[in-house]
Amino acid sequence: NAGVTQTPKFQVLKTGQSMTLQCAQDMNHEYMSWYRQDPGMGLRLIHYSVGAGITDQGEVPNGYNVSRSTTEDFPLRLLSAAPSQTSVYFCASSPWGGGEGNQPQHFGDGTRLSIL
Amino acid sequence: AQSVTQPDIHITVSEGASLELRCNYSYGATPYLFWYVQSPGQGLQLLLKYFSGDTLVQGIKGFEAEFKRSQSSFNLRKPSVHWSDAAEYFCAVDFTGGGNKLTFGTGTQLKVEL
Repeated sequence: NAGVTQTPKFQVLKTGQSMTLQCAQDMNHEYMSWYRQDPGMGLRLIHYSVGAGITDQGEVPNGYNVSRSTTEDFPLRLLSAAPSQTSVYFCASSPWGGGEGNQPQHFGDGTRLSIL
Repeated sequence: AQSVTQPDIHITVSEGASLELRCNYSYGATPYLFWYVQSPGQGLQLLLKYFSGDTLVQGIKGFEAEFKRSQSSFNLRKPSVHWSDAAEYFCAVDFTGGGNKLTFGTGTQLKVEL
């Protein structure tokens, strides 16, 4: 059971290049999300999805696109990379719903992205 | 705006000493509360969670946290710290009630002196 798998682990881009960060989970979780982690700022929610075909914006969505065509995959796209997008990106998944029985989010190991 | 505050950026404790990491949130109702730990170069691992019920919750690795509604706090504690506990600790809150949309604090970096 791999859990949440993110690829690549490291990437360097030039300003203006495009790229897709991959995220896959094998736990059949409905809910998936992308966060970015910057020094001194904790993790901030970029986009999230409550199921295949449904996505929504989080706290810092500008410059990023997402889609959710399957339950397993939730890629994050940078259409035109900017130095301000240099960060560590984490994907997370969890079963959907509230309540005490609900399990919190499982995180991948992250993608460290540098934009030159 | 809803927010999560971890007032201590860095904390240094001696091995074997007790530990308390502070977390406060701004919100009227009781949200879902979490503590995560992150080792260097790793993802986040859940230590414990609070949804409802007993306000003192036990987690993994000997950690516990207490929810205090009157103080809007969810402080993390450990009676005796081990060198392997050195890591960054994040308090996270779900204000939406689903347990899935998290607002994180800025983190507390824990250093353990031998």
